[in-house]
Amino acid sequence: GQQVMQIPQYQHVQEGEDFTTYCNSSTTLSNIQWYKQRPGGHPVFLIQLVKSGEVKKQKRLTFQFGEAKKNSSLHITATQTTDVGTYFCAGNGPDKLIFGTGTRLQVFP
Amino acid sequence: EPEVTQTPSHQVTQMGQEVILRCVPISNHLYFYWYRQILGQKVEFLVSFYNNEISEKSEIFDDQFSVERPDGSNFTLKIRSTKLEDSAMYFCASRDSILRGMNTEAFFGQGTRLTVV
Repeated sequence: GQQVMQIPQYQHVQEGEDFTTYCNSSTTLSNIQWYKQRPGGHPVFLIQLVKSGEVKKQKRLTFQFGEAKKNSSLHITATQTTDVGTYFCAGNGPDKLIFGTGTRLQVFP
Repeated sequence: EPEVTQTPSHQVTQMGQEVILRCVPISNHLYFYWYRQILGQKVEFLVSFYNNEISEKSEIFDDQFSVERPDGSNFTLKIRSTKLEDSAMYFCASRDSILRGMNTEAFFGQGTRLTVV
C-alpha cells in the first residue's frame, strides 16, 4: 500500500536556527497536506499543496511540493519555542489521508 | 470556531471488554474518519464514513471494529473485544467537501486515550 516517509525523525535546534522536514511518498499524490501536532494535542491543519512544484509561505513556514508530486518539504526559518511539536505530511488516498511518519521538532531557548 | 468533540477524553478498560468511543463531528460536514495514534508514533488511518456507510477501511479495521452514525450528530467507534495492543489515542476527524478524496482540510477532535489493561 501507499507509504509516506519523513526525515528526520527528530530534530533538536537552538531557537533562531532553521528547520526542514522532508516527506516522500511511494506513489504520486494528487495533493499533499501538512499538519502540526503539539505535544499532547491533536493534528491541526497547516496547508495544502496541489500543483506540481508549488511553493507556499505562511510567515516563517515555507512549503514545497515536488515536481513529480511524490515529495514535499516544510522549512521553518528562525525557529521559535512555539514551533515545538510534530510535523506530519499527509498524502490523500481515495477517501483518507495517509500520514507520514512525522518529524518531532524540539527547540531549545 | 466549530470543532470536533470526542468523549470520553480517557477510557480505561479491561482486556476483552467492549468500548465505544464517541465523536460529534462539525455539523455541516459530510465525511467522517477515525484514526489512531500509538504513543509517539504516526497517525494511522482506520476508517472513513460517507453517506451512512463505510467508504474505506484499513487492514487495522478488522471484525473487532465497527462504526455507526446512530443519529444526525454522533459518530461512534466500537471495539468489540479489546486487546492490549488497542491501547492508543483515537482521533475522530471530519471534513465538509462534497468532493470525493481528501482534498480539503480535515478537522480533528482532541482524541480519546484508550488504555487496555
